[in-house]
Amino acid sequence: KQEVTQIPAALSVPEGENLVLNCSFTDSAIYNLQWFRQDPGKGLTSLLLIQSSQREQTSGRLNASLDKSSGRSTLYIAASQPGDSATYLCAFLLELIFGQGTELSVKP
Amino acid sequence: NAGVMQNPRHLVRRRGQEARLRCSPMKGHSHVYWYRQLPEEGLKFMVYLQKENIIDESGMPKERFSAEFPKEGPSILRIQQVVRGDSAAYFCASSPKADHTYEQYFGPGTRLTVT
Repeated sequence: KQEVTQIPAALSVPEGENLVLNCSFTDSAIYNLQWFRQDPGKGLTSLLLIQSSQREQTSGRLNASLDKSSGRSTLYIAASQPGDSATYLCAFLLELIFGQGTELSVKP
Repeated sequence: NAGVMQNPRHLVRRRGQEARLRCSPMKGHSHVYWYRQLPEEGLKFMVYLQKENIIDESGMPKERFSAEFPKEGPSILRIQQVVRGDSAAYFCASSPKADHTYEQYFGPGTRLTVT
């Protein structure tokens, strides 16, 4: 059974810093991976989708990578802004199995 | 193209009452997924439906919970005889196909509070 772990659980960085969020999984037979952000009291916003045949996807300041051999995905955020403060979730497979999330706080 | 719609956004029920949560998928999407987010926990899959069919309900509690996605109208998640432990945010998502190349698009969620 797929297990998904996100480290760290919480992260606080000063504005402008580049940062990496980590997501690890136990079953390499994944189909797709989505990164989401969730703002307090709000729904999920899809950030990036990586198909199993891909290694990375980029959207603006975000870059997500997928390494099936090591069971890891990372979300890289460049030049972080206070508006990036949210909880970031990774999820795998068709019926998405979510990690616990990383709560990001970007200090101005 | 409107996104996934869920209503109500907030629902308060007393213990023992029934809760009905509705989800209208994006236009053209025939696959609906329901997830639950309990306080201080991550999102958990509950059930996956296509029109008039339950495909996978492995994440659904065995009692009091049911889901349907009729030929016409929204998908409904029904919780009978609610208890305090049912208080959570319930999200639905839709996709055009049950294919790993397609994203799931999420609604804003329904926040259920059981008093």
